[in-house]
Amino acid sequence: GESVGLHLPTLSVQEGDNSIINCAYSNSASDYFIWYKQESGKGPQFIIDIRSNMDKRQGQRVTVLLNKTVKHLSLQIAATQPGDSAVYFCAENRASGTYKYIFGTGTRLKVLA
Amino acid sequence: DGGITQSPKYLFRKEGQNVTLSCEQNLNHDAMYWYRQDPGQGLRLIYYSQIVNDFQKGDIAEGYSVSREKKESFPLTVTSAQKNPTAFYLCASSIDLKGTEAFFGQGTRLTVV
Repeated sequence: GESVGLHLPTLSVQEGDNSIINCAYSNSASDYFIWYKQESGKGPQFIIDIRSNMDKRQGQRVTVLLNKTVKHLSLQIAATQPGDSAVYFCAENRASGTYKYIFGTGTRLKVLA
Repeated sequence: DGGITQSPKYLFRKEGQNVTLSCEQNLNHDAMYWYRQDPGQGLRLIYYSQIVNDFQKGDIAEGYSVSREKKESFPLTVTSAQKNPTAFYLCASSIDLKGTEAFFGQGTRLTVV
């Protein structure tokens, strides 16, 4: 079936290093993608989004890369900080349907001091 | 401040009782959603509403019911028919269903004993 998934369930990174979280999607019709950050016991927070007419988008310390050829999405966090420790979800929005957001299972990012 | 509010944060109920979770948004968003989150799993869509007085079943609607009588409110009732109701419930809203950021509430953790 069509799904959005993540390659690594847990990622441990040294403080100050860059983090890369990956996501694979299978629906080539999806044209909008979002990365969310979720801290324990809280709701997901929007980090950054990208549309399919772009390959790269940058925010504050974060960059999202979209490779439509291999249906791959990544989130890069520069100079990872302890406050970045959380679960990160990617989501796709299928413009060809009546809705909807499809979420991956998430990757837990652990920042080591 | 604009936002989406879920209440209560924690909820305990006895097995066999119905319980209603509140979700209110003042973002003037047309679309609202309810998701369920279980440990180690991605968000699963329960119900969504594109506009006032309209709602549609998501992927796991059995044992749940919703209403959308006002644009800003989308309450979720977990009925006694839901076989495994203990979970973390997340409400979200977006301007519309396609290609826009979804904002999440802080969640309600429901425990059925």
